[in-house]
Amino acid sequence: GQSLEQPSEVTAVEGAIVQINCTYQTSGFYGLSWYQQHDGGAPTFLSYNALDGLEETGRFSSFLSRSDSYGYLLLQELQMKDSASYFCAVRDSTTGRRALTFGSGTRLQVQP
Amino acid sequence: NAGVTQTPKFQVLKTGQSMTLQCAQDMNHNSMYWYRQDPGMGLRLIYYSASEGTTDKGEVPNGYNVSRLNKREFSLRLESAAPSQTSVYFCASSTGTGAGNEQFFGPGTRLTVL
Repeated sequence: GQSLEQPSEVTAVEGAIVQINCTYQTSGFYGLSWYQQHDGGAPTFLSYNALDGLEETGRFSSFLSRSDSYGYLLLQELQMKDSASYFCAVRDSTTGRRALTFGSGTRLQVQP
Repeated sequence: NAGVTQTPKFQVLKTGQSMTLQCAQDMNHNSMYWYRQDPGMGLRLIYYSASEGTTDKGEVPNGYNVSRLNKREFSLRLESAAPSQTSVYFCASSTGTGAGNEQFFGPGTRLTVL
């Protein structure tokens, strides 16, 4: 089954705050990562949470709750350039692979 | 410092043709990966190499082979291309396979199989 679930699309206006959720199912948890991908571009790393709580990097923050198997990416003071797809990823030990499994991505559209 | 480079950037193949996608990184990373991304979809792992001299299957390995030529280079081969392999292929590298190791991606190869 699907290891990661995230909404397919989110729309928000410039200057607003948006939260992109990710729930995961894995038997061995090693942390939750987030990647950003602009249309036609390559994914780039945003953040990684190994422990519960909020990690802040500028306008972006990432939160993890291991007891709820849940995390989110919070984007503040949205800018047009934040329009992109955002992927959460985990290392899913149920696959037997020493590699990340990515979610299907959330497409964020920022409107003026 | 070029990071991760991929060649070619674009390729059109006919069904049954073969080709090799090349990937190189100059960051002295141990681990390298090949992903495919279909329109509107996430990244699916084809093969990965945790360290020089090792390769392992990912989620969707059928129809592909890989070679970790040296620490820098990791190639992906399609022996007999099929239309279902039309996709964007990304190579990535990281220090290791740990969950917290940032993966650096190349610009991608856009492959169309007719």
